[in-house]
Amino acid sequence: GEDVEQSLFLSVREGDSSVINCTYTDSSSTYLYWYKQEPGAGLQLLTYIFSNMDMKQDQRLTVLLNKKDKHLSLRIADTQTGDSAIYFCAERGGSYIPTFGRGTSLIVHP
Amino acid sequence: ETGVTQSPTHLIKTRGQQVTLRCSSQSGHNTVSWYQQALGQGPQFIFQYYREEENGRGNFPPRFSGLQFPNYSSELNVNALELDDSALYLCASSRITSGGAGELFFGEGSRLTVL
Repeated sequence: GEDVEQSLFLSVREGDSSVINCTYTDSSSTYLYWYKQEPGAGLQLLTYIFSNMDMKQDQRLTVLLNKKDKHLSLRIADTQTGDSAIYFCAERGGSYIPTFGRGTSLIVHP
Repeated sequence: ETGVTQSPTHLIKTRGQQVTLRCSSQSGHNTVSWYQQALGQGPQFIFQYYREEENGRGNFPPRFSGLQFPNYSSELNVNALELDDSALYLCASSRITSGGAGELFFGEGSRLTVL
């Protein structure tokens, strides 16, 4: 079955770039997503990338996809304290049912 | 355009009881998915409904059941509650179109505590 792996924690200094990594196993993935979850809240879609792309940029966010290695990353430029949250990677194949990782807790300190 | 709303936001039940959670989909969406998120974990897929029919089911027992209504709102029912059912239950709506990204839009969740 599908599996999505992420490291559990990342700590960065305010103003630095953050890079959150994700690996997945499903070679038939068509779309990959990044979601953000703040304490006590639901998940907010940040961005997504189609599997035939290798990069997507959206303001401070850059998504890189290495399909050969099944590796996805999310780079947040100029990280702010408001970016502190849990970030989830998710992938889906043809079933329209995304599979989520366990999430990476991003801690931004001054 | 209204987003996804869930009710209730918090509830406490005892083991063996039954619970119904409700979700109102985002306008224009034809699909609703339910996920269970235990503390410190990622969301686990329970099931998905597309145009009132179950469109996929995760590894959850039959005491987890659902419905989608003609207005695309949805219910999640859990019978014979167990302590391990304590979790945040997330509803997500999406619009399935051929070749589309099918992004999920989540509600704030219903926090269930089973004592």
